[in-house]
This record gives sequence, C-alpha cells and structure tokens, in this order.
Amino acid sequence: QVTLKESGPVLVKPTETLTLTCTVSGFSLYNDRMGVSWIRQPPGKALEWLAHILPNDEKSYSASLRSRLTISKDTSKSQVVLTLTNMDPVDTATYYCARATQGIQLAYMDVWGKGTTVTVSS
Amino acid sequence: SYELTQPPSVSVSPGQTARITCSGDSLPRKYASWYQQKSGQAPVLVIYEDSKRPSGIPERFSGSSSGTMATLTISGAQVEDEADYYCFSTDSNAYHYVFGTGTKVTVL
Repeated sequence: QVTLKESGPVLVKPTETLTLTCTVSGFSLYNDRMGVSWIRQPPGKALEWLAHILPNDEKSYSASLRSRLTISKDTSKSQVVLTLTNMDPVDTATYYCARATQGIQLAYMDVWGKGTTVTVSS
Repeated sequence: SYELTQPPSVSVSPGQTARITCSGDSLPRKYASWYQQKSGQAPVLVIYEDSKRPSGIPERFSGSSSGTMATLTISGAQVEDEADYYCFSTDSNAYHYVFGTGTKVTVL
C-alpha cells in the first residue's frame, strides 16, 4: 500500500523558515519513475503547486515562490523535505505531499498524503 | 506566469452530464491531469495524460483535449461526485507546473 505522510510544525512565526517532511512508504524514491510533489491550499482557496523532485533529482519550483523554496530528498530514509523561508500569514495553508509519477511527458500526482495544516502567526 | 482557467462552478442534475473545461495556451502540446477534491479531504487523481483513468475511478469520468482546452466529463453524474475539480499541467518548457483555478461541481 502506497502512503505519504506530511510532518512539521503546526504554528510558525512570521519571518521564520518552515521545514516540512514527507515520509513515503510502499514505493521507493530510487524508482526511476516516481518522485514527490508538494502542494498547498490556503483556507477556502484553490490548490497551489509548489515544487517537485523527480527520480533523476530534477527539481522544479513554483515561479512565484522559487526564491523561497528548496526541495530535497533522503532516499535512504524515504523522505522528501521542503523548506519555505520568510514565512508570512498569507502562507497559512494545508500543505500536501503527493507521489509524482513521471508520465509520457510530465508528472502527475497519483497518491496524496492527508495534508498538514500550518498557521503563520506571531 | 502560466495560467489554467476553469469556470468557477458547474451545476447538473443527477444522471445528467457535467463538463468541466480547462483553458491554457500550452495544452495543445502538454497533457493535463484532473483532480477531485471533496470537502475536507485530500485531492484524488481522476484523469491523467488527458484521457487515461486510474484504476478504481468510475468509468463515468472521462477526459479529452482539443486545441487550448482540456475537458473533464462526468457522464451520469452522481450526488457523490459533488466536489471541487482541478486541472493540472505545465507550460511548453515544462518549467512552470500549475493547477487550474478550480471548478465547484454541484449535483442536485
């Protein structure tokens, strides 16, 4: 059974750096077709794709958040880590990680974690 | 930056057909995938590579693409299909992945 689980702080202060971890099971990050994406959703708003890391270690970032985001993976621990610097209240959201399966042309997210809610407040 | 545009809402009676569109300049060259999100739940993949259906997704969900528009069709919509639906794709250079603006589907 493929599962992904997000973990990290529930509350962060403005200007702090958010670090989220996605722990996967049921598939390997060594797999040549499977990576991990991060997506967020502010309360009552649309999904926003943030970043992904693909099997060949290719990384892509949201154009609007590129300067604040870093994605990395520890294959031996089956974990993918996302950092978002200089947090602001507008970054309050539910953060999801999802398996990114490399298709014919681009990746799609076929299994999702349940999400973790992060609030930014002083 | 790249954008995918969807209608904010679609309403359909049970058993009727719902069509949700997604408009983007790179869709003639890039596949779209579609995600269903029910209230309070994580999204679920319902269509990938324009028209492929993952295992476990009912056959009433289908996808197509023509020109700059991708379409998700729910044939014979059920009450349980009420949800928000998002398309997903990338620009021509595959640098910028984005979700569509989202469509709320009401079945009543």
